[in-house]
Amino acid sequence: DVKVTQSSRYLVKRTGEKVFLECVQDMDHENMFWYRQDPGLGLRLIYFSYDVKMKEKGDIPEGYSVSREKKERFSLILESASTNQTSMYLCASSSLTGAHSPLHFGNGTRLTVT
Amino acid sequence: RKEVEQDPGPFNVPEGATVAFNCTYSNSASQSFFWYRQDCRKEPKLLMSVYSSGNEDGRFTAQLNRASQYISLLIRDSKLSDSATYLCVVINNDMRFGAGTRLTVKP
Repeated sequence: DVKVTQSSRYLVKRTGEKVFLECVQDMDHENMFWYRQDPGLGLRLIYFSYDVKMKEKGDIPEGYSVSREKKERFSLILESASTNQTSMYLCASSSLTGAHSPLHFGNGTRLTVT
Repeated sequence: RKEVEQDPGPFNVPEGATVAFNCTYSNSASQSFFWYRQDCRKEPKLLMSVYSSGNEDGRFTAQLNRASQYISLLIRDSKLSDSATYLCVVINNDMRFGAGTRLTVKP
């Protein structure tokens, strides 16, 4: 079974703090994604990566950056956390083979910015 | 218009009922389709892929209607454990999620 692990289940940070959300997958997947999920809005794509050191903006990249130095790890960075970034953050990975293979999600990080 | 739209519900049905959800998409070039299930405060998990010819997995049936640009999920003989939010996913060059349909199955 694919395992996608997010480093924290719950986080509370203050406005202006720099926040790192870590995600690791163990299935040698090429693709990794960061989403946020908010009530009524569904999942919205922040950033994704198809390869090491490669990143692409999703629908809502503002206020976020990412890092993919190793294939198995994809980090989401909030340079200066704001209250409107309070959300559930979900990391996901998928295989490049068999195009459009489904996503496997981590169990999420619920971030509260006060 | 949103790229992927779902009726948010909630759908409240008794045990044993049959319930169906639709998910419409705007991009006619969309190529792959999935249904995910998400329990409260948990991550989405793949329920089933949706194939052009329609497919069935136990009590669950998924259909694709390309002409009308929607996919559907039918749940027969619903169980209490089916209570969850069901998300549709539509793929073209990226993945687009619907906001989800909440289902509650009651005794």
